[in-house]
Amino acid sequence: DAGVIQSPRHEVTEMGQEVTLRCKPISGHDYLFWYRQTMMRGLELLIYFNNNVPIDDSGMPEDRFSAKMPNASFSTLKIQPSEPRDSAVYFCASRSGKALTNEKLFFGSGTQLSVL
Amino acid sequence: QKEVEQDPGPLSVPEGAIVSLNCTYSNSAFQYFMWYRQYSRKGPELLMYTYSSGNKEDGRFTAQVDKSSKYISLFIRDSQPSDSATYLCAMRAGGFKTIFGAGTRLFVKA
Repeated sequence: DAGVIQSPRHEVTEMGQEVTLRCKPISGHDYLFWYRQTMMRGLELLIYFNNNVPIDDSGMPEDRFSAKMPNASFSTLKIQPSEPRDSAVYFCASRSGKALTNEKLFFGSGTQLSVL
Repeated sequence: QKEVEQDPGPLSVPEGAIVSLNCTYSNSAFQYFMWYRQYSRKGPELLMYTYSSGNKEDGRFTAQVDKSSKYISLFIRDSQPSDSATYLCAMRAGGFKTIFGAGTRLFVKA
């Protein structure tokens, strides 16, 4: 398995532009998570899905952020309009919910977002 | 107050030293406790997992959970330069929402 795949690896954009981050989870995993990592705030959970349905979006910072999961193999995180304070590394992670004793979250390599 | 508190460091130790990393938490509902290791420009990877209180050992790594004190620890024996990374504690209650600490940057000097 190729693991969790995120794209793009790096994104540089100007303030006010729309940004779309993409994620392909590991096949068979029914949970998908979006995290944001900054030096100041560490790794923050933004939203997570179960079977393509958003379960908890309480970590989404504001209405400028939205996330979708149209099918089991694809999810997007969109920021519109983007602001410099959105600059961070955005991680997607997936896991199986079948084995509760298996705690492993599988992370992608992240998208480094810079908003100028 | 954050649900999970972790000293960001950095922590610098000589090769062969014993390393102690710690986290405290406020949510008494947390039952599952993990340690992830993150190398530069990579995603975190699971290192250790413990359910409820107690100790767990895996090679040079030992994880401890003290639920009465809301305190978890990771010990690394005979630390190696390859252990240099950021170590994040993580925990969750009964659902699937996993909360991470800020991460402690560790440098092991040869």
